Amino acid sequence: GQNIDQPTEMTATEGAIVQINCTYQTSGFNGLFWYQQHAGEAPTFLSYNVLDGLEEKGRFSSFLSRSKGYSYLLLKELQMKDSASYLCAPTFSGNTGKLIFGQGTTLQVKP
Amino acid sequence: DTGVSQDPRHKITKRGQNVTFRCDPISEHNRLYWYRQTLGQGPEFLTYFQNEAQLEKSRLLSDRFSAERPKGSFSTLEIQRTEQGDSAMYLCASSPGTARQGYTFGSGTRLTVV
Repeated sequence: GQNIDQPTEMTATEGAIVQINCTYQTSGFNGLFWYQQHAGEAPTFLSYNVLDGLEEKGRFSSFLSRSKGYSYLLLKELQMKDSASYLCAPTFSGNTGKLIFGQGTTLQVKP
Repeated sequence: DTGVSQDPRHKITKRGQNVTFRCDPISEHNRLYWYRQTLGQGPEFLTYFQNEAQLEKSRLLSDRFSAERPKGSFSTLEIQRTEQGDSAMYLCASSPGTARQGYTFGSGTRLTVV
């Protein structure tokens, strides 16, 4: 497998910052997606990283280190609506572009 | 285009029955994927089509499962002789083939086998 590892659950306070980490095997790695999934709904695209570094998109940023097999999703100014599951999904060469998802991190934002 | 559509949204069936789900991808997307998701887990890859060709099938896809995309547009996923372990959310996703544009998921079909 691709040994994708992310925390199962996290809790944070409204207005705070939270970082969700993801590690994966580096062999054959292409790029990495982050998806958000609210309960009972489809996953929605947040970010795609292929180069090392931080990419910022509004309140959400995503970081990638290819050599370390490590990514994180940073959520700033947390809102109650950010309570959801966050899915890390690396892609690998030769696998038809399919996404291999981690188990997801369930984030609960509290008032 | 309203995105990826899946039908039905919910399906309850008795064990041993056959079920078929449909996915209508975004029209200009040539890649189509089926995933299965159980509670508390990330989606698991089932199968992949590029246009009408089924190019990859997961080992999760037993011989009771079959998928088609006859004209390279909509796709169907059939499960024969359903088992309780088949209960899950079945998600369809489509992609234009450019990674940075991401994959668009449908809302899924929730299957309950009783």
